[in-house]
Amino acid sequence: NAGVTQTPKFQVLKTGQSMTLQCAQDMNHNSMYWYRQDPGMGLRLIYYSASEGTTDKGEVPNGYNVSRLNKREFSLRLESAAPSQTSVYFCASGSYEQFFGPGTRLTVL
Amino acid sequence: AQKITQTQPGMFVQEKEAVTLDCTYDTSDQSYGLFWYKQPSSGEMIFLIYQGSYDEQNATEGRYSLNFQKARKSANLVISASQLGDSAMYFCAMREPPYSNFGNEKLTFGTGTRLTIIP
Repeated sequence: NAGVTQTPKFQVLKTGQSMTLQCAQDMNHNSMYWYRQDPGMGLRLIYYSASEGTTDKGEVPNGYNVSRLNKREFSLRLESAAPSQTSVYFCASGSYEQFFGPGTRLTVL
Repeated sequence: AQKITQTQPGMFVQEKEAVTLDCTYDTSDQSYGLFWYKQPSSGEMIFLIYQGSYDEQNATEGRYSLNFQKARKSANLVISASQLGDSAMYFCAMREPPYSNFGNEKLTFGTGTRLTIIP
């Protein structure tokens, strides 16, 4: 039982490059979430998925897309990375209690 | 307007003392939930405690308790007998309606308090 897993753990991109952050959970949760954490700003919701096949925007969705591939997997894509997207990205799943992945530290140069 | 306000950016506390981390919230809903998470230097987010808006008693989990004052819209975390391992960032978060049938539980986080326990 791995909980919530995220790949990669670290990534450095150049401005304009694209990448996909992967997230998987093995707890059979319907709901999954992507957050970003910036210094002094706490965690902010980017996108969420209340169930397989549905996704909705959170507080800061601009510059991101998501895919709920199946019940287990929820990916976050940056189509054209910008320095403002330098952050730590957390995936979470669950309802009453959200379980978080270990995070991905992304730097965009 | 900030939905969750944590006014203490950093705190230093002597080991074995109790510590209170402040959290105030803003909502017009009657049904909501309040959470505290711990984030150690390793970076993971660890769930500590939950308080529902209709819960009549303050939540407790081991050394953690939540001092819930509904009229004041505050949900302070109290850590008793602090330990060196309590040094971390602490985040207060709120869950608000609307909730879908599938349990859509979006959380809004505060900016956090960095707690340092001094030996």
